[in-house]
Amino acid sequence: DGGITQSPKYLFRKEGQNVTLSCEQNLNHDAMYWYRQDPGQGLRLIYYSQIVNDFQKGDIAEGYSVSREKKESFPLTVTSAQKNPTAFYLCASVTVGAANVLTFGAGSRLTVL
Amino acid sequence: GNSVTQMEGPVTLSEEAFLTINCTYTATGYPSLFWYVQYPGEGLQLLLKATKADDKGSNKGFEATYRKETTSFHLEKGSVQVSDSAVYFCALSNAGNNRKLIWGLGTSLAVNP
Repeated sequence: DGGITQSPKYLFRKEGQNVTLSCEQNLNHDAMYWYRQDPGQGLRLIYYSQIVNDFQKGDIAEGYSVSREKKESFPLTVTSAQKNPTAFYLCASVTVGAANVLTFGAGSRLTVL
Repeated sequence: GNSVTQMEGPVTLSEEAFLTINCTYTATGYPSLFWYVQYPGEGLQLLLKATKADDKGSNKGFEATYRKETTSFHLEKGSVQVSDSAVYFCALSNAGNNRKLIWGLGTSLAVNP
């Protein structure tokens, strides 16, 4: 079955450490997105990529980095510069002509100890 | 700019009650409108959508009508079930916005047996 796989589902990190969240899709979708979800704040866009080797900052990119070396992969690195990284992170993808019907992964919950 | 406003939750209902979750929007042009649902511990999934004025989206007993005159896209269900307990997000997309969605903050629904 096609879909988006995020890993790990749960991750604990000490302050000052970088951590990378994986997002892989086998849907042949062009665009991929990373969102952060905090209670009561809805979804906030971190980064998005519409094509391989290109990506743009979203609304809250500070302290995060991404790469898009392959169409199916869009990993997110949460760096030590991110002041409050504890959150639920969601990856999504969409293809051209899909009228913004996003497919989401199951999410990764990051907790900073 | 574009924005989406949802009624605040949490909403608590008894099984078989009628559900309305209000959603209003501000946008230029003719946006597409969406309702996504997030079940506990999971990513989001599309519930229904409407792409032009007066369209009605429907799925799993849920309905929403695109009302341009009132800039609204309220979600309704005639008889909710315990399994409908989730967070519901209203969203819009506009042509030319790089396929980014504008999200409401989400409304949590709890249905009691």
